[in-house]
Amino acid sequence: AQSVTQLDSHVSVSEGTPVLLRCNYSSSYSPSLFWYVQHPNKGLQLLLKYTSAATLVKGINGFEAEFKKSETSFHLTKPSAHMSDAAEYFCVVSGTYSSASKIIFGSGTRLSIRP
Amino acid sequence: DTGVSQNPRHKITKRGQNVTFRCDPISEHNRLYWYRQTLGQGPEFLTYFQNEAQLEKSRLLSDRFSAERPKGSFSTLEIQRTEQGDSAMYLCASSLMQVGGTDTQYFGPGTRLTVL
Repeated sequence: AQSVTQLDSHVSVSEGTPVLLRCNYSSSYSPSLFWYVQHPNKGLQLLLKYTSAATLVKGINGFEAEFKKSETSFHLTKPSAHMSDAAEYFCVVSGTYSSASKIIFGSGTRLSIRP
Repeated sequence: DTGVSQNPRHKITKRGQNVTFRCDPISEHNRLYWYRQTLGQGPEFLTYFQNEAQLEKSRLLSDRFSAERPKGSFSTLEIQRTEQGDSAMYLCASSLMQVGGTDTQYFGPGTRLTVL
């Protein structure tokens, strides 16, 4: 069975300061992990994905995430927040081709940016 | 741009009416997914197709819901006898899934359904 937990429902940072959005996962096999961003009333945009290659994954808009198997974590970071980063962020775990192949979304973290 | 498209973007209907949504996936993507998202929640899986075959349906998909992907390209999601609890954003995603590959899904903008 797979599951994903986003540890913070809301994170607020000042513009120009670092962003950390936390995600822990549970999987009985090597998972694929994703971060998606959703701006208000919009669809989901893929930020980055981990697929068992490099553990540090770089994505769009300056975001990156590090896969830590020992901690079962896949936290999303950005060195310097921008006002346009304000949105809802979803951590996602996905199965393999031979599995039921549905993906499991975390409950989301709302990121607010203070001027 | 040849991303995933969904129509309509917004739909307002009265309780008891039937509604149908359409999703056009990225060309040559073999998998197509439907999700439902309510306010403040993450998307919940409804069903998915590999080519024209519907391979899995969630328990969330009551018998009032039906989805088709007749030619393995676009898909429709129909809700019969709509209820107020059906009000949500319906998201479509597509992916090119190959053996040993990663199921990277690309999402459309969604259809927001409001049932009065």
